[in-house]
Amino acid sequence: AQTVTQSQPEMSVQEAETVTLSCTYDTSESDYYLFWYKQPPSRQMILVIRQEAYKQQNATENRFSVNFQKAAKSFSLKISDSQLGDAAMYFCAYRSVPIQGAQKLVFGQGTRLTINP
Amino acid sequence: DTEVTQTPKHLVMGMTNKKSLKCEQHMGHRAMYWYKQKAKKPPELMFVYSYEKLSINESVPSRFSPECPNSSLLNLHLHALQPEDSALYLCASSPLLRQRREEKLFFGSGTQLSVL
Repeated sequence: AQTVTQSQPEMSVQEAETVTLSCTYDTSESDYYLFWYKQPPSRQMILVIRQEAYKQQNATENRFSVNFQKAAKSFSLKISDSQLGDAAMYFCAYRSVPIQGAQKLVFGQGTRLTINP
Repeated sequence: DTEVTQTPKHLVMGMTNKKSLKCEQHMGHRAMYWYKQKAKKPPELMFVYSYEKLSINESVPSRFSPECPNSSLLNLHLHALQPEDSALYLCASSPLLRQRREEKLFFGSGTQLSVL
């Protein structure tokens, strides 16, 4: 079974600074997707960024980028120019081959990110 | 409309009660999901419906009974729950990944359930 590990239960950063959240995973599969979701106090899970395992290029979405190291099974999230609205719980997630077209996500334990003004 | 709507937002029930959680989406998604999230923990998958048929059941106790009456609606029927079942119950939907592989899950804001 696949496992996802986030070793940082909590992180904090000054507003406008850069922060990196760590994630490692364990799998024997070669075809999979990785995701970062954020969960603000509203409790809704929101997709931040995704990476396909067969793509070597790291994904970027505005201020969010990833460092995907497939051999090391590492998938870190970098947030640049941190904003107060970035404060949330961040979950790293793994998705393997769809089951009957549906997605089965395995989440890490989460990292609570605090932005200091 | 790109929302997944869950009702109620909060629910308190006794161990002998029967209640239902409701989830609705109008995005044409044919996969719908129930997740359970305990406080300060990640979401855990409970059930998945594909084309209104149960495709994944993660060995959930029978006191939780899912139902997908049509392509827009997903219910979770609750009966004889235990206090340890208190959690946030999240619903999600997505297109089925037949041809396009990059579709994301759309989550609702959840129902916070307390079992007394």
